[in-house]
Amino acid sequence: DAKTTQPPSMDCAEGRAANLPCNHSTISGNEYVYWYRQIHSQGPQYIIHGLKNNETNEMASLIITEDRKSSTLILPHATLRDTAVYYCIVRVSGAGSYQLTFGKGTKLSVIP
Amino acid sequence: GAGVSQTPSNKVTEKGKYVELRCDPISGHTALYWYRQSLGQGPEFLIYFQGTGAADDSGLPNDRFFAVRPEGSVSTLKIQRTERGDSAVYLCASSQQGGGQETQYFGPGTRLLVL
Repeated sequence: DAKTTQPPSMDCAEGRAANLPCNHSTISGNEYVYWYRQIHSQGPQYIIHGLKNNETNEMASLIITEDRKSSTLILPHATLRDTAVYYCIVRVSGAGSYQLTFGKGTKLSVIP
Repeated sequence: GAGVSQTPSNKVTEKGKYVELRCDPISGHTALYWYRQSLGQGPEFLIYFQGTGAADDSGLPNDRFFAVRPEGSVSTLKIQRTERGDSAVYLCASSQQGGGQETQYFGPGTRLLVL
């Protein structure tokens, strides 16, 4: 699986949009971009994933650049409960693709 | 419905002792995963079960670590002759069938401290 690069930490004001970047310049054509987050003392929680089209769900939006070498996770209206470590993971889809390879992630602090 | 549960939530043991960590996956999920998370790091894959069998145990660090899932639901991670370096959070996850684009659902983890 391709490696990802994320900033170690970010701050965001409560109520504002949080934009978390991820670089994955060596991504292959059959690799998806996944985002998980981990709130303190909890297990990781799935947020969203995509291949090349932008995706949106009730939690967040995922914007993937046209060359697929980077992506941005957007939390449209950050709340204090969104304070967590956010992991960007690149993963092959298909048989035999099961393990998630986590990096160190981005620690997002939402400030009141 | 109930999510993935893990017991105990915390375990303190002495160097050299044997420990067992339990994982109850989401009912009906055939795929189960164990990960280990050291302080300040992301989780690292240990082992993957498909049903009762370990489909991939390549992440187990050495032969002191062993995991079973005898009936295809509950799994136990066993660590023999514990060392201080085994101190970490041990996370369990499950998914419906394994592979593809399936979401893995994680439990809260067991925090193991080896003194």
